[in-house]
Amino acid sequence: KAGVTQTPRYLIKTRGQQVTLSCSPISGHRSVSWYQQTPGQGLQFLFEYFSETQRNKGNFPGRFSGRQFSNSRSEMNVSTLELGDSALYLCASSSSDGAGEKLFFGSGTQLSVL
Amino acid sequence: KNEVEQSPQNLTAQEGEFITINCSYSVGISALHWLQQHPGGGIVSLFMLSSGKKKHGRLIATINIQEKHSSLHITASHPRDSAVYICAGLNRDDKIIFGKGTRLHILP
Repeated sequence: KAGVTQTPRYLIKTRGQQVTLSCSPISGHRSVSWYQQTPGQGLQFLFEYFSETQRNKGNFPGRFSGRQFSNSRSEMNVSTLELGDSALYLCASSSSDGAGEKLFFGSGTQLSVL
Repeated sequence: KNEVEQSPQNLTAQEGEFITINCSYSVGISALHWLQQHPGGGIVSLFMLSSGKKKHGRLIATINIQEKHSSLHITASHPRDSAVYICAGLNRDDKIIFGKGTRLHILP
């Protein structure tokens, strides 16, 4: 079974631009969650999607958005990029239709904003 | 103060030593994850537990919901166990709150 796939692996953008990151979950998994990791703040929860619906959202500004498609693939979008958005963005999938299941993480997308 | 606190922040030990990493949380949680992150960023979920104790190979995780405390133990530690270990609690709003991580270095 293929693991969680995130693309691209690395991304360099400039301030003010927007970016879209992609996450393909493990086949059969319907829940996809997104996280931001920075050296200063550590890991922080962004949002979670289940069956194309956003089920939960962390404390991030509206510039951060996401969606999930019918095949469970998910995308995350960040508009009007700021220097502080430079981070490792990780997604994880799980099979559960309820909270509290084991998470399977992708390798992440390293975003650098110049 | 973070809602999820880990100790120690850094730990260096000799190969073969018994390792304990602690996680305390100040909010109500329904479940707790232990994660392992190697250099390069990849994260592996080690355990998800809501009560009692779980064991997988040389790794043991325990949780005491009433005392709001969890521990991760590694028996017969090995240099390949060197990584950052992160605990994360699932709060009542089903949001995951992460600890800052414990950086473990096992010397051969």
